[in-house]
Amino acid sequence: DGGITQSPKYLFRKEGQNVTLSCEQNLNHDAMYWYRQDPGQGLRLIYYSQIVNDFQKGDIAEGYSVSREKKESFPLTVTSAQKNPTAFYLCASSKERQSFNQPQHFGDGTRLSIL
Amino acid sequence: SQQGEEDPQALSIQEGENATMNCSYKTSINNLQWYRQNSGRGLVHLILIRSNEREKHSGRLRVTLDTSKKSSSLLITASRAADTASYFCATDAQSGYSTLTFGKGTMLLVSP
Repeated sequence: DGGITQSPKYLFRKEGQNVTLSCEQNLNHDAMYWYRQDPGQGLRLIYYSQIVNDFQKGDIAEGYSVSREKKESFPLTVTSAQKNPTAFYLCASSKERQSFNQPQHFGDGTRLSIL
Repeated sequence: SQQGEEDPQALSIQEGENATMNCSYKTSINNLQWYRQNSGRGLVHLILIRSNEREKHSGRLRVTLDTSKKSSSLLITASRAADTASYFCATDAQSGYSTLTFGKGTMLLVSP
């Protein structure tokens, strides 16, 4: 079955440490997205990529970095510059880039906590 | 910035009752989508309604869109305990980008 796989499900970060969250999709989708979800805040867009080797900042990109070297993969690095990284991180994809009327497909998230 | 805002924040009903959630947004849109999220899981797409549509149905779901009031509603008829989840509306922007802006969600509890 096609879908989006996020790993790990739970992740702990020490002070000053960078951590990388994995997101892989086998839906052959062009566009991929990273969101952060805090309690009562809904989803906020961190980064998105509409095509391989290209990505754009979202609303809250500071302290995060991404790469898009392969169509299937869109890893997110939470750097030590992100002072409040504790949150639920969701990866999503949609079929076509810069196209309206596209539903997004989500992974089951990674919960990141500070040690 | 948050485009869509759902109302109410939380809703508690009995099985068999109908549940209505509302979403208001600020700027013109191409389409509006509704998603569902079970606790600790990712979001699941429920229904998409285009700006030139007024109503859309999918099974027990009915979505309306009033672009003059910049609002949408999601009606779940004959609710079941399995409908317990958070429901989010999401809007795009007419500026031409394919990103969505999500509201804060309505938490629905359906008791047996």
